[in-house]
Amino acid sequence: DAGVIQSPRHEVTEMGQEVTLRCKPISGHDYLFWYRQTMMRGLELLIYFNNNVPIDDSGMPEDRFSAKMPNASFSTLKIQPSEPRDSAVYFCASRGTSFTDTQYFGPGTRLTVL
Amino acid sequence: AQSVTQLGSHVSVSEGALVLLRCNYSSSVPPYLFWYVQYPNQGLQLLLKYTTGATLVKGINGFEAEFKKSETSFHLTKPSAHMSDAAEYFCAVSLGPSGGYNKLIFGAGTRLAVHP
Repeated sequence: DAGVIQSPRHEVTEMGQEVTLRCKPISGHDYLFWYRQTMMRGLELLIYFNNNVPIDDSGMPEDRFSAKMPNASFSTLKIQPSEPRDSAVYFCASRGTSFTDTQYFGPGTRLTVL
Repeated sequence: AQSVTQLGSHVSVSEGALVLLRCNYSSSVPPYLFWYVQYPNQGLQLLLKYTTGATLVKGINGFEAEFKKSETSFHLTKPSAHMSDAAEYFCAVSLGPSGGYNKLIFGAGTRLAVHP
């Protein structure tokens, strides 16, 4: 298996622009998680999906952030409009049905907002 | 509420020396505990996990961790460090039923340096 795939790997944009991050989970996994990693706040869970349905978005920082999962093999995290404080590494992870299953992380997208 | 504390943001050891990375947790329910490793510019990779059963858990690359309920600890050890072990290590606890056991709370991480 190719593992969790994220694109782009690096994104540089200007403040105010829309940013879309993409994730393809491991086939057969029915949970998908979006995390953000920063020096100040560490690794934070933003939102997670089960069978394409958002279950908990309490970690989404504000309305500028939105996430979708239109099908089992694709998810997006969108920031509109972007701000410099959104600069971080964003990880997608997927997991099987059981909560004791392993979460597999993608390589991350490094976002820089100028 | 569940939380994780990793003692020491940076640990430095000599090649061949014992590696000990400390993790303490707080949890109001029986915890599920994890150690992940992150190499530069990569995602997190699971080293090992404790869910139920044996409290001494063996993972990949020669690492192991012991769940000690009385000490609320889950320290990570490796008898002999290798240069390739240099990375950042994260301890995590899974939230209990209120979080559906699906949400992981991560510690701040410990950066391990291995010198010759």
